[in-house]
Amino acid sequence: DAKTTQPPSMDCAEGRAANLPCNHSTISGNEYVYWYRQIHSQGPQYIIHGLKNNETNEMASLIITEDRKSSTLILPHATLRDTAVYYCIVRVWNRDDKIIFGKGTRLHILP
Amino acid sequence: NAGVTQTPKFQVLKTGQSMTLQCAQDMNHEYMSWYRQDPGMGLRLIHYSVGAGITDQGEVPNGYNVSRSTTEDFPLRLLSAAPSQTSVYFCASWNVILGRDNEQFFGPGTRLTVL
Repeated sequence: DAKTTQPPSMDCAEGRAANLPCNHSTISGNEYVYWYRQIHSQGPQYIIHGLKNNETNEMASLIITEDRKSSTLILPHATLRDTAVYYCIVRVWNRDDKIIFGKGTRLHILP
Repeated sequence: NAGVTQTPKFQVLKTGQSMTLQCAQDMNHEYMSWYRQDPGMGLRLIHYSVGAGITDQGEVPNGYNVSRSTTEDFPLRLLSAAPSQTSVYFCASWNVILGRDNEQFFGPGTRLTVL
């Protein structure tokens, strides 16, 4: 699986958009970009995923660059409950599928 | 659906003891995996399974065994507990369906302390 690079921590003011970057410069053509988050002491929670088109759901938006070497997760109106560690993962669909998490970005939402 | 369940929630062991962490899912997912998370660290993959009867090693398999005799259950066995295995253990399950959302579902975790 391709590796990802994320900043270790970020701050965002409550009510503002939180933009979390992820670099995946060695991503392959068939690898998806996934985002998960982990709120303190809980199991990770799926947020969103995409291949090459931008995606949006009720939680967030995912912007993937045209060359697919980086992506940005956008939380449009951050709340205190969005304080968590956010993981960016790239993965490819095959029978020996496994997911390896990096250290993620610790997002602090400031009141 | 209960989703992914893990037992016990907390466990304290002495060095050298063995135990099994239980994981079960009721979503008929093919894929299951075990992760450990040390303080301030990301998740590291221990073992995973792509279906009943099939298991494989992840990043940090040493000291752990798994088996997958049924689709629903994926127990993790600590053969001889060591203080370095003090961690929070998460179990996850998911399915691979091309063109659909393929999120991983995680259990609530088991907090293990080895003295």
